[in-house]
Amino acid sequence: EPEVTQTPSHQVTQMGQEVILRCVPISNHLYFYWYRQILGQKVEFLVSFYNNEISEKSEIFDDQFSVERPDGSNFTLKIRSTKLEDSAMYFCASQTEAANEKLFFGSGTQLSVL
Amino acid sequence: GDSVTQMEGPVTLSEEAFLTINCTYTATGYPSLFWYVQYPGEGLQLLLKATKADDKGSNKGFEATYRKETTSFHLEKGSVQVSDSAVYFCALENYGQNFVFGPGTRLSVLP
Repeated sequence: EPEVTQTPSHQVTQMGQEVILRCVPISNHLYFYWYRQILGQKVEFLVSFYNNEISEKSEIFDDQFSVERPDGSNFTLKIRSTKLEDSAMYFCASQTEAANEKLFFGSGTQLSVL
Repeated sequence: GDSVTQMEGPVTLSEEAFLTINCTYTATGYPSLFWYVQYPGEGLQLLLKATKADDKGSNKGFEATYRKETTSFHLEKGSVQVSDSAVYFCALENYGQNFVFGPGTRLSVLP
């Protein structure tokens, strides 16, 4: 089965530093997402992306966050100035269509902000 | 807004025991319902889904029936195995909107 690939699997950074989390969605998918899961808590929606622009974002996705699809292959999440509370597992997901189709998730990037 | 509620874990069972993980939802319209599973150190994988009322999703011995009258989508398996130990997430998607996940239920199956 096709896979969504995320790198790195673990990222440790100092508070205030910028991080970029990378994802390669499945090649024929059109919708892309970032979710996060703080340890022991539920999976939370961050942002969805379609046709090279953000289609929806949650209140978590503030000005410190941005997403890009720079080359038609990669899909990145940037956090400009990390905070301790950004420590979480970040999941990328992609989908063929927006309705009633399953999300394919990557294995996640564990971000630890010290 | 839409929401999903799951029974709190952790759930600990012996091998071959019967499993039920309750899931209820609140949503407008007619959402699709999903169960995702997260094995240790891995991402979320789709386990099963149902897209309309009375549909039954099934996979790997797991089943869940979409019950609109009780707004529920309970996950069941007749005989669990140690390899079923994971975190299970109930989720919904309302047409054109994003997935909403429940908090997850951790299952531990002991040999």
